[in-house]
Amino acid sequence: AQRVTQPEKLLSVFKGAPVELKCNYSYSGSPELFWYVQYSRQRLQLLLRHISRESIKGFTADLNKGETSFHLKKPFAQEEDSAMYYCALGGTGNQFYFGTGTSLTVIP
Amino acid sequence: DGGITQSPKYLFRKEGQNVTLSCEQNLNHDAMYWYRQDPGQGLRLIYYSQIVNDFQKGDIAEGYSVSREKKESFPLTVTSAQKNPTAFYLCASSIWGGATGELFFGEGSRLTVL
Repeated sequence: AQRVTQPEKLLSVFKGAPVELKCNYSYSGSPELFWYVQYSRQRLQLLLRHISRESIKGFTADLNKGETSFHLKKPFAQEEDSAMYYCALGGTGNQFYFGTGTSLTVIP
Repeated sequence: DGGITQSPKYLFRKEGQNVTLSCEQNLNHDAMYWYRQDPGQGLRLIYYSQIVNDFQKGDIAEGYSVSREKKESFPLTVTSAQKNPTAFYLCASSIWGGATGELFFGEGSRLTVL
């Protein structure tokens, strides 16, 4: 079964501290993985995808097939990073599967 | 202003009534999706369409119906058969139907059943 797990519903870090949002997936094929972000009063939008291997707003995410993980990381959190983050998997049947989301709060 | 437009933003309905949520996109995208967002449950797929006049059920299609008569439009009807319709509904589109591309989301519609 295809599934995305985000174990933390809420995560708080201090400004300038490193942040890691966890994402684990279950998928038998070659996964397409994404992180989406929703800032306050804004639409849900793509933050990054594993295939691009790029850093967006200082965030990176590495696909670890052995651990079936796609954790989102940033070395120094900023207040503007406070948002809701969703990990998503592109699976069979042309469907996207989303995790339950992690609400990140960066404390000034 | 390009993008996805959902209407209405807020909708109230009485039990037993059907209601239709509108989703329009001017991005020339082939694929469109409807998700339901409930607290603590993330986004769950209701229906999706990869091309005009074709659509497939998602994980929670019961009590919902859709149509895709035009490329730009993908309305969702919440029928009286949907047991727990109060929720936040998100429409999205992507340039093609494969689950590899970026999803573009609307601002959402919040439905409350009284």
